[in-house]
Order: sequence, then C-alpha cells, then structure tokens
Amino acid sequence: DGGITQSPKYLFRKEGQNVTLSCEQNLNHDAMYWYRQDPGQGLRLIYYSQIVNDFQKGDIAEGYSVSREKKESFPLTVTSAQKNPTAFYLCASSTRDRIYEQYFGPGTRLTVT
Amino acid sequence: AQSVTQLDSHVSVSEGTPVLLRCNYSSSYSPSLFWYVQHPNKGLQLLLKYTSAATLVKGINGFEAEFKKSETSFHLTKPSAHMSDAAEYFCVVIPHTGGFKTIFGAGTRLFVKA
Repeated sequence: DGGITQSPKYLFRKEGQNVTLSCEQNLNHDAMYWYRQDPGQGLRLIYYSQIVNDFQKGDIAEGYSVSREKKESFPLTVTSAQKNPTAFYLCASSTRDRIYEQYFGPGTRLTVT
Repeated sequence: AQSVTQLDSHVSVSEGTPVLLRCNYSSSYSPSLFWYVQHPNKGLQLLLKYTSAATLVKGINGFEAEFKKSETSFHLTKPSAHMSDAAEYFCVVIPHTGGFKTIFGAGTRLFVKA
C-alpha cells in the first residue's frame, strides 16, 4: 500500500523543548511539504522540498527546521524559537510536475504546555 | 497579490438537499483551482481540480465545481448531500507564477443533518 505516514498522531511537549515530527512516503514522489493548520486559518506552508538535499522556506518557516537526506523522508523540527507551536501539522508529497495533486498524511497534533 | 476566500465558515444542510460551498479567488495570473476535503483529524484528500480545460469539473463522491472567470469564482456543489459528506472543505489556488506556491482558503465546515 502506497502512502504517507506521520508519527506520532499526538505529541505533547513542554515549552522550551525541541521536537521532531516524522514524515515518510513510499510514493516515489520528489516533492514534499509541511503545513501547519490552525482553526479558522486553513493550511499554511512551513517548508517544502523539491528534491533530496534541497528545501525552501514557505510562508511561516520561522522557528522550524527540516532536512531531506532521503527521498522518502522529510522530518520537521519544531524548535523552542517557535512562539505558538501548538497546532495540527500535515505532511504532503507530490510529483514535481503535478504539485496540485498533493497526497497528505494523517497529521500530527502537537500540544506544547 | 493572490488570495482565495471561502465565503462561509460553516454550512448546514439536510441530508438529500443540495450543497453549495462558495469560493472566490484573486490571481494576477491564470490560476489552477482545487477543492480538498478533510474529515476530522485526518489528512486532506483531493476532490477535484481545474487546470484550464473544461470549466465544469466533476470530482469524486458526486461533487462538481464550475470555474467562472468573470466572477472569479469556483464554487463547489453537490445535488444531494449524504451524511458522509460532513467534513471541512478547502478551496486552493495555485497561481501560475512558477514555483511551488499553493494558497489555501480558510475552509468551510459542512454539517449534514439527518
């Protein structure tokens, strides 16, 4: 079964701690994306990667970091510099020529207290 | 500047009645437009897409949308709502400026009453 997996589904952290969210895909997609979803605000792009070892900032990259060492993996680290980290985080992937057809993972709900 | 506005944050319909979810966009370039659906605590699923072919686009689960350039709209419709349609719906614009920019609307929550 091809798809995208995100783990864990729920994550709780204390303020001041860095936390890494996992995203893995076996769709052989070149492009991967991280979005943040807050109530009433839709999705906002944090980072995206078009190819291994390359990534670009999205609209709200401050306080986040990513790596793309393997095609199938695109982990997101939420650092202590992120002022409001509590949110639902969604990872997606697509082929490079059909970026509109993004396949989404089930999401990780991060709560920081 | 490019933007997308979903005109209703919540829509409530009775089962078996028509659904209309409204979306207006603003784009300096000929855009591609999409609708995604999200069920509670799940990822998003592509419902349908408009990429400059036919202006009336049919998607999955009986949904369709019509691109109206003169009105800068891309409203989502379904003739008869089903309980399983209850979800959040996002209108998405990709302006053809190159790059990977995708612009999501704020979402419309659809409630379906029995």
